[in-house]
Amino acid sequence: DGGITQSPKYLFRKEGQNVTLSCEQNLNHDAMYWYRQDPGQGLRLIYYSQIVNDFQKGDIAEGYSVSREKKESFPLTVTSAQKNPTAFYLCASSLTGARDIQYFGAGTRLSVL
Amino acid sequence: LAKTTQPISMDSYEGQEVNITCSHNNIATNDYITWYQQFPSQGPRFIIQGYKTKVTNEVASLFIPADRKSSTLSLPRVSLSDTAVYYCLVGDGLRNTPLVFGKGTRLSVIA
Repeated sequence: DGGITQSPKYLFRKEGQNVTLSCEQNLNHDAMYWYRQDPGQGLRLIYYSQIVNDFQKGDIAEGYSVSREKKESFPLTVTSAQKNPTAFYLCASSLTGARDIQYFGAGTRLSVL
Repeated sequence: LAKTTQPISMDSYEGQEVNITCSHNNIATNDYITWYQQFPSQGPRFIIQGYKTKVTNEVASLFIPADRKSSTLSLPRVSLSDTAVYYCLVGDGLRNTPLVFGKGTRLSVIA
């Protein structure tokens, strides 16, 4: 089955803790994205990557970090510097660039303990 | 990137045709128009994409007038399962800048 897998589905973070959200795709897509969605709001871009070992900040990158060591993987770390991390996080991929259709994972819901 | 404006919410009865209009006054020559659908607690799903005139697939139709300053997503004979948020995105990808998801239009289908 081709697609995007995000894990875990639910995640809880303690104060001062870094947590990492996993995103894996087997679609052989070059581009991958991370979005944050707050209740009743649209999606806001955190980071994106169009090629292995390269990534760019989106609109709300502060308090987050990413890596793209493999084509199929794009993990997101929510650092302790992100003071309001409670949100729904979505990972997506597209064939090459921004105009291509984005395929989304099922999301990770992060809450603060 | 061209900014888009959509209604915040719409209501419809089952079986009716629903038209959601998106305004994009400063659309650029190379820009395409793309619509996504999102159900609660799920990631968005691609519906349709177009450049001009009319595009139709098994799910929806997209109408784009000659001046391309707006577009209309048409959902034929909606059912309760079409209750979702619909996003209109405009961009060309030539700049390879990710498209912006606004707040979308929340469609509620009523029995």
